[in-house]
Amino acid sequence: AQSVSQHNHHVILSEAASLELGCNYSYGGTVNLFWYVQYPGQHLQLLLKYFSGDPLVKGIKGFEAEFIKSKFSFNLRKPSVQWSDTAEYFCAVSKFGNEKLTFGTGTRLTIIP
Amino acid sequence: GAVVSQHPSWVICKSGTSVKIECRSLDFQATTMFWYRQFPKQSLMLMATSNEGSKATYEQGVEKDKFLINHASLTLSTLTVTSAHPEDSSFYICSAAPPHGGENSPLHFGNGTRLTVT
Repeated sequence: AQSVSQHNHHVILSEAASLELGCNYSYGGTVNLFWYVQYPGQHLQLLLKYFSGDPLVKGIKGFEAEFIKSKFSFNLRKPSVQWSDTAEYFCAVSKFGNEKLTFGTGTRLTIIP
Repeated sequence: GAVVSQHPSWVICKSGTSVKIECRSLDFQATTMFWYRQFPKQSLMLMATSNEGSKATYEQGVEKDKFLINHASLTLSTLTVTSAHPEDSSFYICSAAPPHGGENSPLHFGNGTRLTVT
């Protein structure tokens, strides 16, 4: 069975700092990769996704993620965070052609003004 | 705006009673919906796949008689927690995707339902 690991449980940064959240998965086949964000009191929203093609994926709000197949990783990055980025971030994986998602445990991001 | 509506947002019930949670797709017809459960400080765990017009597919370890799923129309799936116990207290989230999925039809999530069983 596939699994997803997010090693950072809680990250605290100051505004304008750069961000990188780790995500590793275990599955040897072709995968689809996702990052979701959950702002306080709101539902999960898709930040970005990778299905195929360019391994560097750009999403909304200045976020990007890079798929490194050899490392089974899909880390999320943002060059300069804002206070409004405070939220819970979830990495998720699905097998190619399957809509069922396996989620990581999430990373809580707190941005200090 | 939300494209998947979940109701209620929170519910408190007594042990032994049953609770029904609704998940509606507002802007599209969903032949498939998914039900997840999230424990505090843990990840979302897929419970079951709800299929319109047929039986739900449950993940390993999820009791189908405990968590009844009905997907009677293309816009509504319901999850009923039967004979609820305190250990069923959790955050339940549904998701749905427009038909003919693929990379241009990502899953949309409901706001979730916080269930507390006393």
